[in-house]
Amino acid sequence: GAGVSQTPSNKVTEKGKYVELRCDPISGHTALYWYRQSLGQGPEFLIYFQGTGAADDSGLPNDRFFAVRPEGSVSTLKIQRTERGDSAVYLCASSLQGSFSHEQYFGPGTRLTVT
Amino acid sequence: DQQVKQNSPSLSVQEGRISILNCDYTNSMFDYFLWYKKYPAEGPTFLISISSIKDKNEDGRFTVFLNKSAKHLSLHIVPSQPGDSAVYFCAASGWGDDKIIFGKGTRLHILP
Repeated sequence: GAGVSQTPSNKVTEKGKYVELRCDPISGHTALYWYRQSLGQGPEFLIYFQGTGAADDSGLPNDRFFAVRPEGSVSTLKIQRTERGDSAVYLCASSLQGSFSHEQYFGPGTRLTVT
Repeated sequence: DQQVKQNSPSLSVQEGRISILNCDYTNSMFDYFLWYKKYPAEGPTFLISISSIKDKNEDGRFTVFLNKSAKHLSLHIVPSQPGDSAVYFCAASGWGDDKIIFGKGTRLHILP
């Protein structure tokens, strides 16, 4: 079956611009996660959705970052006034509600470059 | 402050031998531990996990050992195969917490 998909695969933007990154989770997965992976680092948690609501947004670095999941499926991560330090690979993952194994299925990521 | 630490950025192992990847954690509230494998230009894929009530979990060539008193876990791959060359991330989660905390990863090279 289809896995987690993310678009675009690559995004280059100028400092100060607004960007949107999209995630399509696995069908039937109610939990959705966004992570950011900088060079030489592991994935860093940003936000977690259970259904349509953000259950934990403690990882969002500041108020320039916002994410939505209006119908409980597709999610969009929005970054305002981008900075060069926002350059990273943004990973999305999904999992089944109540999955004891905590296993999360990751998409291939969106590589964001802010020039 | 890193809660999950992988102190070896890279490791080279001869094909057919055992690969041992190590991970340390600082948060005693973690009760579930996972290993993910990542190839270039792909997202991480789940490999194996272990609950804090166990000290060993095995799945084919992969075995994870957990030493709670030392706050240490390790992943053993035997025998190592060329397709095992990848970056391996150790990760941890607390009870009732869906958030996963990742280490920085160890790049494993399997030598022919």
